[in-house]
Amino acid sequence: EAGVAQSPRYKIIEKRQSVAFWCNPISGHATLYWYQQILGQGPKLLIQFQNNGVVDDSQLPKDRFSAERLKGVDSTLKIQPAKLEDSAVYLCASSFGVRQTYEQYFGPGTRLTVT
Amino acid sequence: GQQLNQSPQSMFIQEGEDVSMNCTSSSIFNTWLWYKQDPGEGPVLLIALYKAGELTSNGRLTAQFGITRKDSFLNISASIPSDVGIYFCAGQFMNRDDKIIFGKGTRLHILP
Repeated sequence: EAGVAQSPRYKIIEKRQSVAFWCNPISGHATLYWYQQILGQGPKLLIQFQNNGVVDDSQLPKDRFSAERLKGVDSTLKIQPAKLEDSAVYLCASSFGVRQTYEQYFGPGTRLTVT
Repeated sequence: GQQLNQSPQSMFIQEGEDVSMNCTSSSIFNTWLWYKQDPGEGPVLLIALYKAGELTSNGRLTAQFGITRKDSFLNISASIPSDVGIYFCAGQFMNRDDKIIFGKGTRLHILP
């Protein structure tokens, strides 16, 4: 079974530039999550989708972050414009069920450096 | 916001030693989860605990859900080199939405 795929693995941009990350979840998983993991911290949930609908985006900085999952499969997370404090690893995860306590399978993450 | 206090922050042990780490919260949790993250990878779920007092094992790993619902511990017995990594606890609140909160992690080092 293929795992959660993410691309790119690394990205370096200057502040005020835009960046987009892509995630393809495990086939058949209805729920997709985007997390932000700052160095030395645990992951923090940014947004949760069930199929193509948003379940929770309460911690997403909506003035600069956006995410979509148009066909209920893969998803894109965008930051526009980026700030220095956005430097982090962005993790995508998916799960079969809706509740977050269903086992979440994480991708390898995209490491973003904002200079 | 709500936080989990995970300790120790890092550990240096000899191969073969047992390891213990724990998480505490000022809030009551409905579920405790323990994850391991290797460098350059996403976290992998090790053990999930759903009931106060529950003690669950997964190979050499044992975790318990505290009776007060405000703490959990993870033990690793007879550590081996592949145990190196960052261990995260995560909790899901009672009477809240399903959001999971992660601790800051315990970084495990095994000395040669």
